[in-house]
Amino acid sequence: QQQVKQSPQSLIVQKGGISIINCAYENTAFDYFPWYQQFPGKGPALLIAIRPDVSEKKEGRFTISFNKSAKQFSLHIMDSQPGDSATYFCAASMSNTGKLIFGQGTTLQVKP
Amino acid sequence: GAVVSQHPSWVICKSGTSVKIECRSLDFQATTMFWYRQFPKKSLMLMATSNEGSKATYEQGVEKDKFLINHASLTLSTLTVTSAHPEDSSFYICSASRGTGGGYTFGSGTRLTVV
Repeated sequence: QQQVKQSPQSLIVQKGGISIINCAYENTAFDYFPWYQQFPGKGPALLIAIRPDVSEKKEGRFTISFNKSAKQFSLHIMDSQPGDSATYFCAASMSNTGKLIFGQGTTLQVKP
Repeated sequence: GAVVSQHPSWVICKSGTSVKIECRSLDFQATTMFWYRQFPKKSLMLMATSNEGSKATYEQGVEKDKFLINHASLTLSTLTVTSAHPEDSSFYICSASRGTGGGYTFGSGTRLTVV
């Protein structure tokens, strides 16, 4: 119930392409769904986040698509760049506990 | 805004000694802070939740006597790894909550190596 399942584990995309990472959850009490980017040896940095009352949110090249009925959400990175090469984590939390539960992570490599 | 400073960024200690890691929210008050552990190429695993002025809540399987957490003020939480052993070597990351709807800000992490 507390798990967030993320796929794929790794992803290779050509420069300029679209990177898509998917996550699924079971607990309908989750009400905050952020995506984080992490570079080696650094802490995660927030990319974009969404709440369940919205189906899509776009910030620059990053878009979250949220499907409440399917309990799934995804991150789309448009015009992927080599500098986007990093590990991406989806996460979910619920207001009453504040705990952030992370997905397994996706290592993205953008080839020049 | 919303900066969390974590120190040290890396530390090497001898087996049997204790190590303290500090997590400070620089420009906001964090009523709740979280401590995570991350193994190489793995996800972040929540260790404990600390609320200012009260005892930390530990996740199942986390030894509270080994990982001492103190949240003495609204801007500072500390994690002390007591009697460290090589298996405690890991990347430890703190996070501070800005309250309901305010999101979470992460520190830059601490690489602990126990030799």
